[in-house]
Amino acid sequence: DAMVIQNPRYQVTQFGKPVTLSCSQTLNHNVMYWYQQKSSQAPKLLFHYYDKDFNNEADTPDNFQSRRPNTSFCFLDIRSPGLGDAAMYLCATSRRSSSTDTQYFGPGTRLTVL
Amino acid sequence: RKEVEQDPGPFNVPEGATVAFNCTYSNSASQSFFWYRQDCRKEPKLLMSVYSSGNEDGRFTAQLNRASQYISLLIRDSKLSDSATYLCVVNGRDNNDMRFGAGTRLTVKP
Repeated sequence: DAMVIQNPRYQVTQFGKPVTLSCSQTLNHNVMYWYQQKSSQAPKLLFHYYDKDFNNEADTPDNFQSRRPNTSFCFLDIRSPGLGDAAMYLCATSRRSSSTDTQYFGPGTRLTVL
Repeated sequence: RKEVEQDPGPFNVPEGATVAFNCTYSNSASQSFFWYRQDCRKEPKLLMSVYSSGNEDGRFTAQLNRASQYISLLIRDSKLSDSATYLCVVNGRDNNDMRFGAGTRLTVKP
């Protein structure tokens, strides 16, 4: 019954070692989002895809990249993780990019950087 | 000034209490407003939407005041299971403008 799936749930990486987080959805939604959430802070939007169109937030560091090879999957690549990148990474989907559409979140991947 | 501001709490209330949270937003052009609930180390889940003058869903009531640019969430007859962080979310014209508050933490005690 899981609709937005994230793997792995917990990821440990070393400082500077590239890491890829995965998100998949069974909802056939057009839009997929990646958020970063640090402890006791609001989720912060990194970027989103509307179908294949990539939209980057202005303040998202170049260290973060994303790929969406098909409707169901979206990946977050962190090229050189720093200690400050340790956070929960949330993937979300919505049917279309409309202010009335609900976003459905995955369970998140908690990233630890050693 | 943050785009969406909430009192971080924590709010510690006994079972059965009524509790209210406020949220202010800075963008007067915002059109859609939501309350999400987030349990510890879990993902946010939609609690309710607030589209016009307010919304009621069982024990939960959300109000919108466009003139003062704030929304509120009222929880009546609090249950232990209501313990969570409540996130205020404000959208702009499109969903990609979704802005989250940092959340208000609620603990309901027996």
